[in-house]
Amino acid sequence: GENVEQHPSTLSVQEGDSAVIKCTYSDSASNYFPWYKQELGKRPQLIIDIRSNVGEKKDQRIAVTLNKTAKHFSLHITETQPEDSAVYFCADNAGGTSYGKLTFGQGTILTVHP
Amino acid sequence: KAGVTQTPRYLIKTRGQQVTLSCSPISGHRSVSWYQQTPGQGLQFLFEYFSETQRNKGNFPGRFSGRQFSNSRSEMNVSTLELGDSALYLCASSGTGTTTGELFFGEGSRLTVL
Repeated sequence: GENVEQHPSTLSVQEGDSAVIKCTYSDSASNYFPWYKQELGKRPQLIIDIRSNVGEKKDQRIAVTLNKTAKHFSLHITETQPEDSAVYFCADNAGGTSYGKLTFGQGTILTVHP
Repeated sequence: KAGVTQTPRYLIKTRGQQVTLSCSPISGHRSVSWYQQTPGQGLQFLFEYFSETQRNKGNFPGRFSGRQFSNSRSEMNVSTLELGDSALYLCASSGTGTTTGELFFGEGSRLTVL
C-alpha cells in the first residue's frame, strides 16, 4: 500500500542554522506533496507544497525539492528561528487519488534553540 | 471567514459505547476529510466526502463510518469503542478545483476511551 517514510524523527538545531527533513514515498502515481507544521496543541497547517511537474519551490525561508526518479522530497528551512519549533509532517496524495486523501509521514520534531 | 469547526472538543467514553463527532467545513468547501492522530501511528486517513458521497476510504474497520450532509457538514461515528480508539480526530476541508490542494484542519475532537 501507500507509504511515506520521514527522517529524522527528531531534529535539534541552533537558531540561525538550517534544518533539512527528508521523505520518501512508494507510489509513483502520487503527484502532490505537501508539508504541514503542527505546533504543540494546535492544528496542522500547510506551510508549502509541490506538485510532480516541479522540481523545487521556495517561499521565503522555506524550500521543498522533489526527485521523482528517486521518489523522495525534502523540506529545507534556512535561518531557523525559535518559532519554527514544531512537528513537521510530509505527505503525498496517496497515488494521486485526490487532495483530500493524504498519506502522512511519521513526523519530525524540530527544536530550535535560541 | 470562519475556520473548520469540530464538536465536541473533548469527550470520554467507555469501551463498547459509540460516539459521533461533528465537523463544519469552511463556507464554500465541499470536500471534508477525516484523520485519526495518535502518538504511535501519526496521522492516518479515515475517509473523504465530497458532495455527500464518500470519495475515499482508509484502512479502518467498519466500526468507523461517516456521512456528509447537503450543507457539507460531516459527521463520523465510531461504534463499539475500543481502548485503541483513543485519539485526536481531525477534520479537514478543502475547496474545489484542480489547483486546490490545501487542507484546512479543525482543532480536533480528543476522544478518550476508558
